[in-house]
Amino acid sequence: DAGVIQSPRHEVTEMGQEVTLRCKPISGHDYLFWYRQTMMRGLELLIYFNNNVPIDDSGMPEDRFSAKMPNASFSTLKIQPSEPRDSAVYFCASSFSPTSSGTQYFGPGTRLLVL
Amino acid sequence: AQSVSQHNHHVILSEAASLELGCNYSYGGTVNLFWYVQYPGQHLQLLLKYFSGDPLVKGIKGFEAEFIKSKFSFNLRKPSVQWSDTAEYFCAVTAYSGAGSYQLTFGKGTKLSVIP
Repeated sequence: DAGVIQSPRHEVTEMGQEVTLRCKPISGHDYLFWYRQTMMRGLELLIYFNNNVPIDDSGMPEDRFSAKMPNASFSTLKIQPSEPRDSAVYFCASSFSPTSSGTQYFGPGTRLLVL
Repeated sequence: AQSVSQHNHHVILSEAASLELGCNYSYGGTVNLFWYVQYPGQHLQLLLKYFSGDPLVKGIKGFEAEFIKSKFSFNLRKPSVQWSDTAEYFCAVTAYSGAGSYQLTFGKGTKLSVIP
């Protein structure tokens, strides 16, 4: 398996623009997670899905952020409108059920810079 | 609410020194414990994990961690560090609460710098 795939790897945009980050989890994994990593706040869990259903989105910063998982092999994280404080590395991770394993496999991340 | 504390923000060691990174969690139920490592410019990778059984867990690259339930701790150790161990280390705790839902918490991370 190719592992968790994220695109784009780097994104530079201007404040106010819409940003869409994409993630393809490892085939067979039924959990998918979105994280944000910054120097100031460290690694933050934004939202996670189980079998394509959002379970906990309490980490989503505000209404400008939304995430979808239309099928088992694809998820998006959208920021609209983007702001400079959204600049961070966004990681997607996937795993089997925590009752069987729970080890998360991380993608390479998307480095977002909002000017 | 569940929380994970990593005591040291930044640790600087010389090569061949021994390493111990502290991790304490607060959760009263059954937990799964993980250490992840993030090398500079890379994504997080699993170092080792504890689910059940022997509380002394051995991971990759000579790392090990000991789960001490009475102390709610899961400290990471390595007897002799190398320059290539320079990275950021994250402790994580998961607790399953049924019906597809579980709590997942990462610590703030500890940066390890190994001086040649």
